[in-house]
Amino acid sequence: NAGVMQNPRHLVRRRGQEARLRCSPMKGHSHVYWYRQLPEEGLKFMVYLQKENIIDESGMPKERFSAEFPKEGPSILRIQQVVRGDSAAYFCASSPSGLETQYFGPGTRLLVL
Amino acid sequence: EDQVTQSPEALRLQEGESSSLNCSYTVSGLRGLFWYRQDPGKGPEFLFTLYSAGEEKEKERLKATLTKKESFLHITAPKPEDSATYLCAVQRGNAGNMLTFGGGTRLMVKP
Repeated sequence: NAGVMQNPRHLVRRRGQEARLRCSPMKGHSHVYWYRQLPEEGLKFMVYLQKENIIDESGMPKERFSAEFPKEGPSILRIQQVVRGDSAAYFCASSPSGLETQYFGPGTRLLVL
Repeated sequence: EDQVTQSPEALRLQEGESSSLNCSYTVSGLRGLFWYRQDPGKGPEFLFTLYSAGEEKEKERLKATLTKKESFLHITAPKPEDSATYLCAVQRGNAGNMLTFGGGTRLMVKP
């Protein structure tokens, strides 16, 4: 049973470019969460999605960041016009329902030059 | 606002030297407290979920306990492969499903 999959594992972007991070949840899981881990800081919640719905985006920066979880395909976290401060590890987690244990993927490490 | 504080920030142990990691929390309506292990360059790996004060769970050399204000992760006779960052997180029962994480404890076990 494959775990949570994220790609790419490493992503390098120049300031002003767009970054697209993908997350495929574990088989049978329909709830997806995105967290960000800034250098020397703890994991911070960004957004919680179910298929075709954003349930809670209280942790998302107001501008440049968006997330989706379409009916078919992986969840996407999109960062437009990246800045150096966006450099971080972005983790996706999934759970079978909203109140069960969240299992994490390996993360995408974004570096903005 | 939910708060999770882990101590110590870093802990060095000799192989076989037992110790405990602390996670203090302030949350309105705790639904669950979670322990994860994170190795460098990897994602958090689930260890335990605790739901109510007095609950205990064990897995190999690890034992997690929960009170109304804090949780402990006891490590008995650790081995070098136990070296990792241990993360504690809380989930509220009445406001979404997000996890609020502490800063973690970096454990280093020397042979």
